[in-house]
Amino acid sequence: KAGVTQTPRYLIKTRGQQVTLSCSPISGHRSVSWYQQTPGQGLQFLFEYFSETQRNKGNFPGRFSGRQFSNSRSEMNVSTLELGDSALYLCASSRDQVSPLHFGNGTRLTVT
Amino acid sequence: AQTVTQSQPEMSVQEAETVTLSCTYDTSESDYYLFWYKQPPSRQMILVIRQEAYKQQNATENRFSVNFQKAAKSFSLKISDSQLGDAAMYFCAYRAIRTGNQFYFGTGTSLTVIP
Repeated sequence: KAGVTQTPRYLIKTRGQQVTLSCSPISGHRSVSWYQQTPGQGLQFLFEYFSETQRNKGNFPGRFSGRQFSNSRSEMNVSTLELGDSALYLCASSRDQVSPLHFGNGTRLTVT
Repeated sequence: AQTVTQSQPEMSVQEAETVTLSCTYDTSESDYYLFWYKQPPSRQMILVIRQEAYKQQNATENRFSVNFQKAAKSFSLKISDSQLGDAAMYFCAYRAIRTGNQFYFGTGTSLTVIP
């Protein structure tokens, strides 16, 4: 069974631009969540989608948004990029509300 | 609010020895899950072990075991017979079952294995 796939693996953007990250969950997993990982901050929860509905949202500004499609694939969008948005963005999927998270390899975003 | 605390930013262990990583959490829930994840330099987070709060028996997965103290809200990970491949960042995580189901992660412990 294929794991969680995140694309692209690396991105370099300029301040003010916007970016879209993609995540394909494990087949059969309906929950997809996104995390921002920075040195010293650990994993910060962005949001979680379940069956195309946003179920939980972390404490991030409105520049961060996401969506989930009917095939459970998810996208995360960051608009008006800031230098502080440079981070590793991890996507994780799970089968249901009590199952463990399965993570992708992440997208390394660098904002210059 | 739920919080997860890992008080050891860095740990080291000699190859073949045993090391224990600490984790405490704060919650008012009675039903929840606890996890340990490992993140090697390849950066993919890998599930190491899971513990259901309603189970008194400590979870074990080969060389990895936990010491779950529910009353103390403590969830430590013991790695026996440490191997070079165990070197990674280890994250403790909490997930409530009823309220929100959101995962909460600690800030991680970086484990070095000395040959």
